[in-house]
Amino acid sequence: DTAVSQTPKYLVTQMGNDKSIKCEQNLGHDTMYWYKQDSKKFLKIMFSYNNKELIINETVPNRFSPKSPDKAHLNLHINSLELGDSAVYFCASSQGLVEGETQYFGPGTRLLVL
Amino acid sequence: AQSVTQLDSQVPVFEEAPVELRCNYSSSVSVYLFWYVQYPNQGLQLLLKYLSGSTLVKGINGFEAEFNKSQTSFHLRKPSVHISDTAEYFCALRTAGGTSYGKLTFGQGTILTVHP
Repeated sequence: DTAVSQTPKYLVTQMGNDKSIKCEQNLGHDTMYWYKQDSKKFLKIMFSYNNKELIINETVPNRFSPKSPDKAHLNLHINSLELGDSAVYFCASSQGLVEGETQYFGPGTRLLVL
Repeated sequence: AQSVTQLDSQVPVFEEAPVELRCNYSSSVSVYLFWYVQYPNQGLQLLLKYLSGSTLVKGINGFEAEFNKSQTSFHLRKPSVHISDTAEYFCALRTAGGTSYGKLTFGQGTILTVHP
C-alpha cells in the first residue's frame, strides 16, 4: 500500500487552463504539505494543513488554492496556469507538528505547461 | 531566516569507494537536520535525521551523518557506495520551537553518481 499517493503522476496542459492535483495519505497523519520542486531541483514549501486547518501559506500566487476535505486528503487547485508553474509538485504528510517529526513524501506530480 | 547550502551539485565516485556529501546551514535558532534521498522519478525518502544527543547519526542503507554545531555542518557519509546509491540527496532543516509548523527548508541537492 502506498503511504502517500498523488494523482495524476504526469500532467501536460496549455497556458490559461485550470487543473487540480490530488493527494491522499493512509498513514493516519494529521498534517499535510505541498512542496514545489523547480527545474533546478530546488524544493520549497507552499502550504501546510494541520487537522484541515491552513497553518503555512508561503508567498504563493493566489492562483494556487489548497483544499483539505478531510485529514487524509490535501488537494491543490491551480487557476490560469502559466509557463512558470511547470515543476514537480510533492505532497507530504507527518503525524502532527511534533518537533523533528519525519515527513513522508508522495511520488510527485510532474506538471508541464505549454 | 534560515538556509541550507549543499556545497557540491554533483559528486561522481567509483563503486566501493567512500563518499561525503557536504551540507552547511545557517540559522539563528536551534535546528533539526535531515537528509533525504530522491531516486529518479520518485518521491523523497528519509535517510536519517539529527534531533539531539549524539552528534553521529546512523541511517538506512549504511549512511551516517555528523552534526557539527561549531561549523554549522551536517555532512553525509558512506564508507563504501554501491551502484544503487546513485540518486539525488537533499539536506534539510527545521527550526526548533513551535513556530516552524513543520516547515522544512531544503538545500539545492547533490547528485551522487556511482560508476562501476
